[in-house]
Amino acid sequence: QPALTQPASVSGSPGQSITISCTGSSSDVASYNFVSWYQQHPGKAPKLMIYEVSERPSGVSNRFSGSKSGNTASLTISGLQAEDEAEYFCCSYADGSTQVFGGGTTLTVL
Amino acid sequence: QVQLVQSGAEVKKPGASVKVSCKASGYTFSIYYMYWVRQAPGQGLEWMGIINPSGDSTSYAQRFQGRVTMTRDTSTSTVYMELSSLGSEDTAVYYCARGSSSSWYDQPDYWGQGTQVTVSS
Repeated sequence: QPALTQPASVSGSPGQSITISCTGSSSDVASYNFVSWYQQHPGKAPKLMIYEVSERPSGVSNRFSGSKSGNTASLTISGLQAEDEAEYFCCSYADGSTQVFGGGTTLTVL
Repeated sequence: QVQLVQSGAEVKKPGASVKVSCKASGYTFSIYYMYWVRQAPGQGLEWMGIINPSGDSTSYAQRFQGRVTMTRDTSTSTVYMELSSLGSEDTAVYYCARGSSSSWYDQPDYWGQGTQVTVSS
């Protein structure tokens, strides 16, 4: 069982906004501002989209944003585009010098 | 540009060991933490562990303790992951990924292309 809980799937129409949640505990998300989000297309390696809760790496569209409240982190994608259709994973630093992942969310662009 | 190039696919029998390599280029290898993450077929990502820049400190996920060894060779900018006592549940794509240059709090940014490891009798 993944340590972080994500919805199995979300969907939206082009141009809309969607939010993916990532719920952890006091041992991870709630205690550390080291939460990241990854996009993964089928057969490809994950791509970093957000790090340290809300920071965007160079080259990542500003349509992607991250936030955190308590033990839940969120990824919001605005102005949905067809190429955003992918699997999204959250990841958090956790007690004991470990990292934990969410189970992944499939984003479908209708 | 940062590149992580991993070794090729492996097929192993149950009980055997596998050693996957990951050669880095495009950045100063010796100052960055390195991660290993795996992904079983149709499943999510699973953190396996991390090795510090000097190679003298590691942190492994509890479920791999005693079975995994991560090492690195600065002279060749290569990091290695060896997993022993393989079972069918270890069939997965194994990824190396670059961590931060300052701590092992940060998650990885650049990832290798992945190495398929298949365990089958």
